[in-house]
Amino acid sequence: NAGVTQTPKFQVLKTGQSMTLQCAQDMNHNSMYWYRQDPGMGLRLIYYSASEGTTDKGEVPNGYNVSRLNKREFSLRLESAAPSQTSVYFCASSWTGGRTEAFFGQGTRLTVV
Amino acid sequence: AQSVAQPEDQVNVAEGNPLTVKCTYSVSGNPYLFWYVQYPNRGLQFLLKYITGDNLVKGSYGFEAEFNKSQTSFHLKKPSALVSDSALYFCAVRTPTSGTYKYIFGTGTRLKVLA
Repeated sequence: NAGVTQTPKFQVLKTGQSMTLQCAQDMNHNSMYWYRQDPGMGLRLIYYSASEGTTDKGEVPNGYNVSRLNKREFSLRLESAAPSQTSVYFCASSWTGGRTEAFFGQGTRLTVV
Repeated sequence: AQSVAQPEDQVNVAEGNPLTVKCTYSVSGNPYLFWYVQYPNRGLQFLLKYITGDNLVKGSYGFEAEFNKSQTSFHLKKPSALVSDSALYFCAVRTPTSGTYKYIFGTGTRLKVLA
């Protein structure tokens, strides 16, 4: 039982390049999330998907797009990477109801030079 | 606006001593509250949660947390700290926003347990 799997684990991009971060969960969860973690700022929500077929902006969506491909997969795309997007990105999943905790992937460390 | 505050960037405690990591929240309605731990180069791991009922909740690795509605706090505690407890701790709240539950995280508190 893998839980939440993110790929890649590390990535270095040049400014202006694009890339897609992949996330898959095998817990049959309805909701999925993308967060970024920066020193001193905690985790900030980029986008989330409450259920298959829906996506919504979080706190810091600018410069990102997402796709909820199916119930298992939720990808995050950077169309034109900027140094300000250097961060650690975490994908998470949970049941939609409020009483349950989220499960996190191991993270993707992205550096934009 | 809904928010979570962790007022201490770092907490230092001697091994064997009790530890407290503070968390306060500001939300409308009844919150669901969570604590997570992050070890270096790892994802967040769930420790415990408060949903309803007893204000003292017990979780993994000997941690517990006390919910105080009047003070809007949810402090993480452990009676006797271990060096292996050294990590980054996050408090989170989950509330319905536009009919969808989202997790809002604090900025994190680094716990250092000194041998």
